[in-house]
Amino acid sequence: NAGVTQTPKFQVLKTGQSMTLQCAQDMNHNSMYWYRQDPGMGLRLIYYSASEGTTDKGEVPNGYNVSRLNKREFSLRLESAAPSQTSVYFCASTRGRITGNTIYFGEGSWLTVV
Amino acid sequence: KQEVTQIPAALSVPEGENLVLNCSFTDSAIYNLQWFRQDPGKGLTSLLLIQSSQREQTSGRLNASLDKSSGRSTLYIAASQPGDSATYLCAADNYGQNFVFGPGTRLSVLP
Repeated sequence: NAGVTQTPKFQVLKTGQSMTLQCAQDMNHNSMYWYRQDPGMGLRLIYYSASEGTTDKGEVPNGYNVSRLNKREFSLRLESAAPSQTSVYFCASTRGRITGNTIYFGEGSWLTVV
Repeated sequence: KQEVTQIPAALSVPEGENLVLNCSFTDSAIYNLQWFRQDPGKGLTSLLLIQSSQREQTSGRLNASLDKSSGRSTLYIAASQPGDSATYLCAADNYGQNFVFGPGTRLSVLP
């Protein structure tokens, strides 16, 4: 009963370092998302993948890249981390753009950039 | 562009009280409206999903209503318990814009 699994749970980076957040879902969902959550800003969409082989920018894509590796996996990469990217990152998935589109979230990844 | 707001930002009530959380959205062209619960240090858990053609959904002590014409949804929690303490978020699933989340209401239920 894993649902959406994301790793790592916690990470501390130095400014300029790179890292990749991994996300996998086992619900055979078509669409996957990466959000960041910041105090006072709510959840903001970074990138999403409507289906395998496609990715699109969300509200705050600058400084990030994504890869939809296959139907199960959707990774988020920070090429050169900045302190402004300190945040909690959530991966999510849905069946797709159909009525009754419940969204399922991972447990989050806490990233600190110093 | 869809904007979602939630009132109040925080709420503290004694155990056993019935309460209402409010969610407002600016664009009524939505597929559905969802309510989530978030515990500290955790991800979001979906509580209720109301499709655009529905007026309300119920799950246990939770009841969510949707009025698209006025851009409002409410989450009603009956007989609140300390275990209900969490942040509650609503999200509008929009045509061509994906999900837009509200900032949340932080609920504390006091024993």
